[in-house]
Amino acid sequence: AQKITQTQPGMFVQEKEAVTLDCTYDTSDQSYGLFWYKQPSSGEMIFLIYQGSYDEQNATEGRYSLNFQKARKSANLVISASQLGDSAMYFCAMREYDSGGGADGLTFGKGTHLIIQP
Amino acid sequence: GAVVSQHPSRVICKSGTSVKIECRSLDFQATTMFWYRQFPKKSLMLMATSNEGSKATYEQGVEKDKFLINHASLTLSTLTVTSAHPEDSSFYICSASSGAYEQYFGPGTRLTVT
Repeated sequence: AQKITQTQPGMFVQEKEAVTLDCTYDTSDQSYGLFWYKQPSSGEMIFLIYQGSYDEQNATEGRYSLNFQKARKSANLVISASQLGDSAMYFCAMREYDSGGGADGLTFGKGTHLIIQP
Repeated sequence: GAVVSQHPSRVICKSGTSVKIECRSLDFQATTMFWYRQFPKKSLMLMATSNEGSKATYEQGVEKDKFLINHASLTLSTLTVTSAHPEDSSFYICSASSGAYEQYFGPGTRLTVT
């Protein structure tokens, strides 16, 4: 079973509108972290936002916020006031933490290709 | 944020040759480095986890004899693709971590095997 599911392969959004990118996850661990990355055509992975499983408040970073619904195992990314430069691939990812303090590598979803239209 | 570099950024090699990709953490000590692979229009897939001074842990389905990983210091990990074939052509990205939360990605290396 997929650990990270992103159901929107592509999205077209009008500039200045808000956009929500969906992400659901599957884990039996109590301790984990959820990440969102942006990947422009250059290929670099740009970190956007992080939510820990024990964080009670939704994470926010500038125009990015993470709508964390733990019971539903969802971690949607919300981008407010979208800009043309937001056009890129967006990946949701999860990192599971073991009791020894170590951490696994990231498991990524398939991504959403977001295109902002003027 | 922390800076991670990769070298080379692009490499073209002939089938049967070996290629080494370097991943360096420039301003912090990375106890753990990860290597990912990304096919065109696909997601990143974790290949292996390397901890400084110990053998790498490979994900299921990744051939450890083909993808040699060395993490000789806290700032350098190398991935060597041995006897490369066209199907090894891909985008290889490393990331470096000094703790349980932070993970900083390098800019990636695009490998083309002809």
